[in-house]
Amino acid sequence: DTAVSQTPKYLVTQMGNDKSIKCEQNLGHDTMYWYKQDSKKFLKIMFSYNNKELIINETVPNRFSPKSPDKAHLNLHINSLELGDSAVYFCASVGPGYGYTFGSGTRLTVV
Amino acid sequence: GEDVEQSLFLSVREGDSSVINCTYTDSSSTYLYWYKQEPGAGLQLLTYIFSNMDMKQDQRLTVLLNKKDKHLSLRIADTQTGDSAIYFCAERTGGYNKLIFGAGTRLAVHP
Repeated sequence: DTAVSQTPKYLVTQMGNDKSIKCEQNLGHDTMYWYKQDSKKFLKIMFSYNNKELIINETVPNRFSPKSPDKAHLNLHINSLELGDSAVYFCASVGPGYGYTFGSGTRLTVV
Repeated sequence: GEDVEQSLFLSVREGDSSVINCTYTDSSSTYLYWYKQEPGAGLQLLTYIFSNMDMKQDQRLTVLLNKKDKHLSLRIADTQTGDSAIYFCAERTGGYNKLIFGAGTRLAVHP
């Protein structure tokens, strides 16, 4: 029973397309995040939602729009995909105490 | 500001100890973490330390925290080939508890 699950695991798409990545957590956590890992393995926070409210919005192009229909779900929609969007996108959630739990990642390749 | 720095590469012989170092800038960090990432895989939480602790030991792993110097280290005893991976240091910081990651240290274990 996966705690933080992302779909799809792999996504290959053409430049200019619009795509979505979905994330769901069954841990009852209030806060969820999207992180981007680039080809050099740098991990950078993109967005965070707390109980459906956007609380962190780092310097991310407007083409990226997160949506949280409820506190267990955080989706990422990307418009007009560019080559530079190719990366691994990780979803995570955090609850009381120390623990962050990460999903297994979505590897996005834009061709 | 928020910044986490790590050396990028470490090569050790199998059976030796590995020490991976990290420095961070935010003195208000509450927790500091070590994550492991194997090729093509997600982020695995190895261990964490609360900011009021100096040391934490967990089997082969020892974490040392020098809060005055904002220095964190991870020691892996009896390093094995299965320990070859990228190790990320991260600090939990800010009002919204975001994780700031270092660039990752690539540990290579050779016979």
